[in-house]
Amino acid sequence: DADVTQTPRNRITKTGKRIMLECSQTKGHDRMYWYRQDPGLGLRLIYYSFDVKDINKGEISDGYSVSRQAQAKFSLSLESAIPNQTALYFCATRETGMGTDTQYFGPGTRLTVL
Amino acid sequence: QQQVKQSPQSLIVQKGGISIINCAYENTAFDYFPWYQQFPGKGPALLIAIRPDVSEKKEGRFTISFNKSAKQFSLHIMDSQPGDSATYFCAARSKTGANNLFFGTGTRLTVIP
Repeated sequence: DADVTQTPRNRITKTGKRIMLECSQTKGHDRMYWYRQDPGLGLRLIYYSFDVKDINKGEISDGYSVSRQAQAKFSLSLESAIPNQTALYFCATRETGMGTDTQYFGPGTRLTVL
Repeated sequence: QQQVKQSPQSLIVQKGGISIINCAYENTAFDYFPWYQQFPGKGPALLIAIRPDVSEKKEGRFTISFNKSAKQFSLHIMDSQPGDSATYFCAARSKTGANNLFFGTGTRLTVIP
């Protein structure tokens, strides 16, 4: 089974709808991240969480909210979707330690807002 | 404002050739420089990383060259193979705050057989 899973994998929705993207991990990492990927813009950080009670905004948090339901679960919500939120969304966990700093990404959710 | 600038946006290389992707940064408060590889339909995965106290790191056919004074680093893929065809992202880790990563814009590499 994949260590970081995301649901749904694909979603088409309409402007103004509320959308939730879910992420689960079995790696046991405390740190979790949400990024969006756009052609020509790379990966940009939306929100990150160091544990259930520690949630922080990233570079582009406007229009998004998150919930850390448990160490293993981190959800991203778009309260009222707009077309420029059409993108590929990735969840990631992070492992740091002696000489190690690795982010483990899920397979992504392709979101289209019409 | 893009913290890490990456070029080229796309690259086509013949099998057996050398692929070179370049990145540059302005902020001196970065302390770790990873490269991530992303295959179509997959999430990025760590490929290789370097710290600024060394000028080169090699893992198999992949080498990072790091020039601290120029604030530039590059990925070299020797003997490029069709299986290397993917999108590559450079990144830089901030020394301050939450030590977050700032990613480059990505390079789509195609290796022609």
